[in-house]
Amino acid sequence: NAGVTQTPKFQVLKTGQSMTLQCAQDMNHEYMSWYRQDPGMGLRLIHYSVGAGITDQGEVPNGYNVSRSTTEDFPLRLLSAAPSQTSVYFCASSYSSGEKLFFGSGTQLSVL
Amino acid sequence: RKEVEQDPGPFNVPEGATVAFNCTYSNSASQSFFWYRQDCRKEPKLLMSVYSSGNEDGRFTAQLNRASQYISLLIRDSKLSDSATYLCVVRGYSTLTFGKGTMLLVSP
Repeated sequence: NAGVTQTPKFQVLKTGQSMTLQCAQDMNHEYMSWYRQDPGMGLRLIHYSVGAGITDQGEVPNGYNVSRSTTEDFPLRLLSAAPSQTSVYFCASSYSSGEKLFFGSGTQLSVL
Repeated sequence: RKEVEQDPGPFNVPEGATVAFNCTYSNSASQSFFWYRQDCRKEPKLLMSVYSSGNEDGRFTAQLNRASQYISLLIRDSKLSDSATYLCVVRGYSTLTFGKGTMLLVSP
């Protein structure tokens, strides 16, 4: 049972580049979300989805896009990377919103 | 008051000690509460849910005080392997809000 699979583990981008962080879960969870974690800031919610075709903004959505075309996948797109987006990103899923979350192993992103 | 507040620590304790963390939350309508554990550079993992009546899982005890809007985590007989950051998590309207975490360092 793979759980939540997140790729890549590490990524270095130049300012202005775009990229997609992949997230997939095999637990048939309806709820999926993306967090970023910065020193001294804790985990902050970027975007979330309560089911296929439904997405919503979290606390820090600017500069990121998401889509949820299937129950399993929830990719996070950086449209034009900025140094302020240097962070560790976690994808997480749960059976429904507000329930215990299962996290992917994280992506360490550096934007130069 | 911030949504979820925790003392960042670090709490430095010797092996075998008992240590307690508190977490306060601002939304009196919150219904679900959790403690997560996060090891350095790893993903958070659920430690335990917190129920109104309090609950215990081995050396770990979690309690909820709705009147004062705080939850607590008690760790008895601390082990070296308990060294980690403990995250307090509170359910908001439809999402979970994480505290910034309390770091625990257990020394021999």
